[in-house]
Amino acid sequence: GENVEQHPSTLSVQEGDSAVIKCTYSDSASNYFPWYKQELGKGPQLIIDIRSNVGEKKDQRIAVTLNKTAKHFSLHITETQPEDSAVYFCAASRNAGTALIFGKGTTLSVSS
Amino acid sequence: GAVVSQHPSRVICKSGTSVKIECRSLDFQATTMFWYRQFPKKSLMLMATSNEGSKATYEQGVEKDKFLINHASLTLSTLTVTSAHPEDSSFYICSCGLATDTQYFGPGTRLTVL
Repeated sequence: GENVEQHPSTLSVQEGDSAVIKCTYSDSASNYFPWYKQELGKGPQLIIDIRSNVGEKKDQRIAVTLNKTAKHFSLHITETQPEDSAVYFCAASRNAGTALIFGKGTTLSVSS
Repeated sequence: GAVVSQHPSRVICKSGTSVKIECRSLDFQATTMFWYRQFPKKSLMLMATSNEGSKATYEQGVEKDKFLINHASLTLSTLTVTSAHPEDSSFYICSCGLATDTQYFGPGTRLTVL
């Protein structure tokens, strides 16, 4: 089955710096890759997603890149702010109705 | 984005009792609903997948007789933890899926079994 590896497990940056989180997946049939932000005691919130027919997607300060050949995708956050501090999860799935397989998460800390 | 609610948000129960957790999609009809379990500082582990009107599909290692899932409609799924024990204490999160793959998560339910 699918296996998703996520690095780093923790990431500390200064406010205004960029943060990059990387994930690799094993199932070449996976074609949907969302990223979720989870704050303490809350459910995950979808922040951006990408499908396999696209190599990059951007939404304001957040961008995701996908390399299907290498089977890895990355989350890029620019101009980080303290409110970006949270746990970020990457995930992968094959198609509609298929459950997401999550990475182990990255705890991002943005200090002012 | 789509809104998913869970009730209750927090529950404390005695060992041996059963607890029901509701998951509702408030502004859309969910093709599929998923139940996850999350331990402190850990990732989300899929427990089961349910489609409206059919039996849930459980992941390996998840006891279907202990974690009963009922998907009564396109907007409601329930998870019942039967004969709960302290090791069942966890954060339970549901998600509702659209046909376009996107899943929206509920706020989670913190279960503590004494």
